[in-house]
Amino acid sequence: DIVMTQSPLSLPVTPGEPASISCRSSQSLLHSNGYYYLDWYLQKPGQSPQVLIYMGSNRASGVPDRFSGSGSGTDFTLEISRVEAEDVGVYFCMQALQAPRTFGQGTKLEI
Amino acid sequence: QVQLQESGPGLVKPSETLSLTCIISSGSISNNYWSWVRQPPGKGLEYIGHVRYSGNSDYNPSLKSRVTMSLDSSKNHFSLRLSSVTAADTAVYFCARFYAYQLPRGYYYYMDVWGKGTSVSVSS
Repeated sequence: DIVMTQSPLSLPVTPGEPASISCRSSQSLLHSNGYYYLDWYLQKPGQSPQVLIYMGSNRASGVPDRFSGSGSGTDFTLEISRVEAEDVGVYFCMQALQAPRTFGQGTKLEI
Repeated sequence: QVQLQESGPGLVKPSETLSLTCIISSGSISNNYWSWVRQPPGKGLEYIGHVRYSGNSDYNPSLKSRVTMSLDSSKNHFSLRLSSVTAADTAVYFCARFYAYQLPRGYYYYMDVWGKGTSVSVSS
């Protein structure tokens, strides 16, 4: 299985400040079609996960543009340009290249 | 707006079979992939597997010998069965829909709609 490693595991932030979460995979997530098979999900307290980013850098429908995804090969980053109170929760990266899909451990963003 | 709702017993005895159903509202089960993900208490997410509208399925090898997924188009729901459960299967179980994003060739699938999750404890 592809192992996904996130850092940091805990991220205290100040509203209005930027935040960045790193996700590293044990092998490249570049598909033969040229796209990266990496998603980001946010699980707000007491809720189910919701997709933020797919294919490494594509924002899902309804996701604010303060969220952005980037990266290549085995290293990916989720950035929040200006954190808002509603962004608290646990962020997970997930690889979609190889079965079974595997998640990172999660990064808890706290204000 | 498609909505998903998991249902099933909250308590299952060790060695028995866990059975959950995911009811699809305001949408059709047709032409989609449907998945199950679980989250043990205080831990991260584990992908269990998915079932295609065709009925074909793909399971996490770590659970493959115990998992069966199926769908019922007449009832617009899909199901998960996990046999021979132990305390390690205690978790919140989520169902989710895979959205098919069209690429120049083929599709990219990501989970765009999730149920609220149902908590299952394995205990005698």
